[in-house]
Amino acid sequence: RKEVEQDPGPFNVPEGATVAFNCTYSNSASQSFFWYRQDCRKEPKLLMSVYSSGNEDGRFTAQLNRASQYISLLIRDSKLSDSATYLCVTYNQGGKLIFGQGTELSVKP
Amino acid sequence: NAGVTQTPKFQVLKTGQSMTLQCAQDMNHEYMSWYRQDPGMGLRLIHYSVGAGITDQGEVPNGYNVSRSTTEDFPLRLLSAAPSQTSVYFCASSYSGGRAFFGQGTRLTVV
Repeated sequence: RKEVEQDPGPFNVPEGATVAFNCTYSNSASQSFFWYRQDCRKEPKLLMSVYSSGNEDGRFTAQLNRASQYISLLIRDSKLSDSATYLCVTYNQGGKLIFGQGTELSVKP
Repeated sequence: NAGVTQTPKFQVLKTGQSMTLQCAQDMNHEYMSWYRQDPGMGLRLIHYSVGAGITDQGEVPNGYNVSRSTTEDFPLRLLSAAPSQTSVYFCASSYSGGRAFFGQGTRLTVV
């Protein structure tokens, strides 16, 4: 089992749609989770950290489910500019920063 | 703050040449790492370091060396470049357990 797994997509959605991504992780002791956004193999940029109680930043909502060991990202009212690859990130038991393979989102007019 | 500075941004090498990719951070982060990203693929960990004097291998370490003599610097050395090492390379740093900051990447072509 991979340490972090994501559905690679692509997710093709129309503008204004709501889309959700899930990411499963294997390290039950992990305390830190993040969602990053990457455009066209440029450097990944932090979208948001994921807190135990869930957190929201504008149109973006992140949730953590420790019992099932997954995190999720919900994007409401999708914009063309949301088209990118979304990376799920956490630390493994050895303290290594581990990335999922990314989920590609394409928002169409 | 400069954050993570990665150089060069672009490089073309001939097969068999060696070179060093530089990575420096000014945030006093103990954790630094190198990734490569091939077209259509995710980030793969090459080497990482949890502090000065400590390095360890990642997922794809063959053909690469690293050292961490200072907290700030984490250079990646290609010993004898091969076409299979054509890729985009990213350096990242963080506090242990914290968010990662990335350099702008090095686009390397080996011919």
